[in-house]
Amino acid sequence: DTAVSQTPKYLVTQMGNDKSIKCEQNLGHDTMYWYKQDSKKFLKIMFSYNNKELIINETVPNRFSPKSPDKAHLNLHINSLELGDSAVYFCASSQDAAAQYFGAGTRLSVL
Amino acid sequence: SQKIEQNSEALNIQEGKTATLTCNYTNYSPAYLQWYRQDPGRGPVFLLLIRENEKEKRKERLKVTFDTTLKQSLFHITASQPADSATYLCALDPPTGGFKTIFGAGTRLFVKA
Repeated sequence: DTAVSQTPKYLVTQMGNDKSIKCEQNLGHDTMYWYKQDSKKFLKIMFSYNNKELIINETVPNRFSPKSPDKAHLNLHINSLELGDSAVYFCASSQDAAAQYFGAGTRLSVL
Repeated sequence: SQKIEQNSEALNIQEGKTATLTCNYTNYSPAYLQWYRQDPGRGPVFLLLIRENEKEKRKERLKVTFDTTLKQSLFHITASQPADSATYLCALDPPTGGFKTIFGAGTRLFVKA
């Protein structure tokens, strides 16, 4: 079984659309994250959730809204998609903020 | 704000040699420092974590050192193999914790057979 799984793997959409990315972890970790990796390969943290509570929200536009229905899931909803949102989005989980386990990534292309 | 600097150039080495990658940070000393490996089209994979009170950590052919005076960590791969070719990311967390990991841009390693 995949430890951290995110869907979809690829997402191609038009500007202005709303889309969601789902993430699930079966490791029993308390903390989950969303990262954005841009074309220059910088991996930047967007959100951290610990025990379903939002811990970190890093200067991310309000169009991005994470939701954690339970400790094993952290979904990311994006409203009114813009060209600059094109990137690879990674979900990760960890216990005690160290040794993060990443999903395979969702490659988002906004046309 | 904290910044991480890794070798921006790709590192090319011959199979069997030791690869040494550098991670420098500019501000506070982190509670711990981590190294990850990332292959094209995949998510980063955790390799090693070293705490601020540790000088060195080993795992099989991997070795990490941490010098809080120099604000530097070195990552070594001994007896390198072509399968070690990947991008290696350095990451650190602030001393207060807070689930706010900062990643470096990574160093691309190529091991030639």
